[in-house]
Amino acid sequence: QVQLVQSGAEVKKPGASVKVSCQASGYTFTRYPMHWVRQAPGQGLEWMGWINTVKGNTKYSQKVQDRVTITRDTSASTAYMELRSLRSEDTAIYYCAREDLDSFDIWGQGTMVTVSS
Amino acid sequence: SYELTQPPSVSVSPGQTATITCSGDKLGNKYACWYQKKPGQSPLLVIYQDKKRPSGIPERFSGSNSGNTATLTISGTQGMDEADYYCQAWDSSTVVFGGGTKLTVL
Repeated sequence: QVQLVQSGAEVKKPGASVKVSCQASGYTFTRYPMHWVRQAPGQGLEWMGWINTVKGNTKYSQKVQDRVTITRDTSASTAYMELRSLRSEDTAIYYCAREDLDSFDIWGQGTMVTVSS
Repeated sequence: SYELTQPPSVSVSPGQTATITCSGDKLGNKYACWYQKKPGQSPLLVIYQDKKRPSGIPERFSGSNSGNTATLTISGTQGMDEADYYCQAWDSSTVVFGGGTKLTVL
């Protein structure tokens, strides 16, 4: 079946970096763009950015554009999201999501990232 | 930057109709979609391209979009529909989410 499987929970110290993976299966990875969305505790959904899985070009939200990098490995059908210079405010569940017809039809299970000293 | 505004909360009695709005400048000129988010679960797409339902989404979920407002309507609301609902649209190659609406089924 079509699914996105993300890497496991992470605990990081302030100032560190985290890299979350998202492996796609059940469909052709390069047919759909991939996005990253996060949800901090008690907060709403926040879009972070997306990658064209064919060409590898990206677009990021203004809020995180200086600290985030989204990449992909087409041979592994996997997308990655790296966030640097972590702060306590980055504590959140991070989701990858497949884009189709201007919306996100398939979501990963989420990866909890905790930033704490 | 573009903003989408939703009411923080909506309450409805079981079996009644719930209406959740999403407002943004000329939103009717864009496609709007809606997600259902329950605690501990990933978001679920319930409406895309203003009014289309993905496979498996019950017919009681419907959507519309005109002028500055997109609307999610849940007819014959059930207890299982209690969740947070988020609207989403595109603006200048970036994605925007509304702040979310907590739907309570009393």
